[in-house]
Amino acid sequence: DTEVTQTPKHLVMGMTNKKSLKCEQHMGHRAMYWYKQKAKKPPELMFVYSYEKLSINESVPSRFSPECPNSSLLNLHLHALQPEDSALYLCASSLRSAGEKLFFGSGTQLSVL
Amino acid sequence: GENVEQHPSTLSVQEGDSAVIKCTYSDSASNYFPWYKQELGKGPQLIIDIRSNVGEKKDQRIAVTLNKTAKHFSLHITETQPEDSAVYFCAASSYGGATNKLIFGTGTLLAVQP
Repeated sequence: DTEVTQTPKHLVMGMTNKKSLKCEQHMGHRAMYWYKQKAKKPPELMFVYSYEKLSINESVPSRFSPECPNSSLLNLHLHALQPEDSALYLCASSLRSAGEKLFFGSGTQLSVL
Repeated sequence: GENVEQHPSTLSVQEGDSAVIKCTYSDSASNYFPWYKQELGKGPQLIIDIRSNVGEKKDQRIAVTLNKTAKHFSLHITETQPEDSAVYFCAASSYGGATNKLIFGTGTLLAVQP
């Protein structure tokens, strides 16, 4: 299994909603990532978890809250988002660290109304 | 921090022709350089990568070259096919460093005309 699975594929939410994005991998990878990608732009790193511990937070607003319940799962909790947060949210994993092959999921296309 | 520039931003070729995408990086400590292909509605997919201890790597129709002195690396696609049409991103990171972050280039939209 060489897949990173993300759910849901599409999400529409209001600015007062609370929602969660989910990511799962069964490749035994110990580093997991959240990226944000705006249309026609490269992915931008948001968070890195290494061995289930948050190792990098790229000064992301607190309305985005990551969680890594175990080595296979990664969540991104969303609350009080703004319309400018609309984007493709990508999860990725690698064996250990960011200097290794990164495997991406297909992403969650988020629209904030 | 690392900065990666990528050119061209768009590239149109005829089927069967070659395509070349070029990237430059700023941090001399960077030693891992992957290339990703992103099709519409999908996440980026790793297509080839190179580490700083080699100058060239090839996988069928795809090759990557690295010039550490000049701090640039290139993706070469030969015998292009319509299914090669996608956005391609180069990236750079420092493998094994304390703060391993993959920094992406701005992307190249490749269109292969049948």
